[in-house]
Amino acid sequence: AQSVTQLDSHVSVSEGTPVLLRCNYSSSYSPSLFWYVQHPNKGLQLLLKYTSAATLVKGINGFEAEFKKSETSFHLTKPSAHMSDAAEYFCVVSDGRGAQKLVFGQGTRLTINP
Amino acid sequence: DVKVTQSSRYLVKRTGEKVFLECVQDMDHENMFWYRQDPGLGLRLIYFSYDVKMKEKGDIPEGYSVSREKKERFSLILESASTNQTSMYLCASSLTTSGVPFLVWEQYFGPGTRLTVT
Repeated sequence: AQSVTQLDSHVSVSEGTPVLLRCNYSSSYSPSLFWYVQHPNKGLQLLLKYTSAATLVKGINGFEAEFKKSETSFHLTKPSAHMSDAAEYFCVVSDGRGAQKLVFGQGTRLTINP
Repeated sequence: DVKVTQSSRYLVKRTGEKVFLECVQDMDHENMFWYRQDPGLGLRLIYFSYDVKMKEKGDIPEGYSVSREKKERFSLILESASTNQTSMYLCASSLTTSGVPFLVWEQYFGPGTRLTVT
């Protein structure tokens, strides 16, 4: 079965500094990978997705992620954090080749300090 | 824009009650999903449906059932609510593209229903 591990349950950065949220995946196939964001009391919103095209994927709000097959990683980065980035972030992998089911990581809570 | 709506944002029910959570999507998506979200556990799949009247169990189906009589609507039913079903429930929908078997589409989520069972 496919799985995803978010290596940090909580990350805290200062406004204006870089953000790194780490994600490792396990998949028997070439996976589809996603990052979602959930702001307090809101639904989940897609940040970006990787579906076997370019390995560096750009998303909304200045976020990007790089697919590294050799490291089975899909880390999320942003060069400069903004207060509005404070939220919970989920790394997600497709559950099998072409399967429409998704498997969610446990989430990383991002805190931005002024 | 895809819109997924859920019937209630907050719901309080008593132990043993039958509970219906409704989800409607307006983009003609084939797939619909029900998840529960608990702190530290991420999202866990309860049931999903890839077509009208079709359903498949997810990872935690015990104590739940679902109904999909129309393409746009997917209902989650708690036959006899228990306190351990207190949680945030999220509905989602996604496309399936025929002829492209390995293309996985993103899921679009509703705002969630926070259910408390007392």
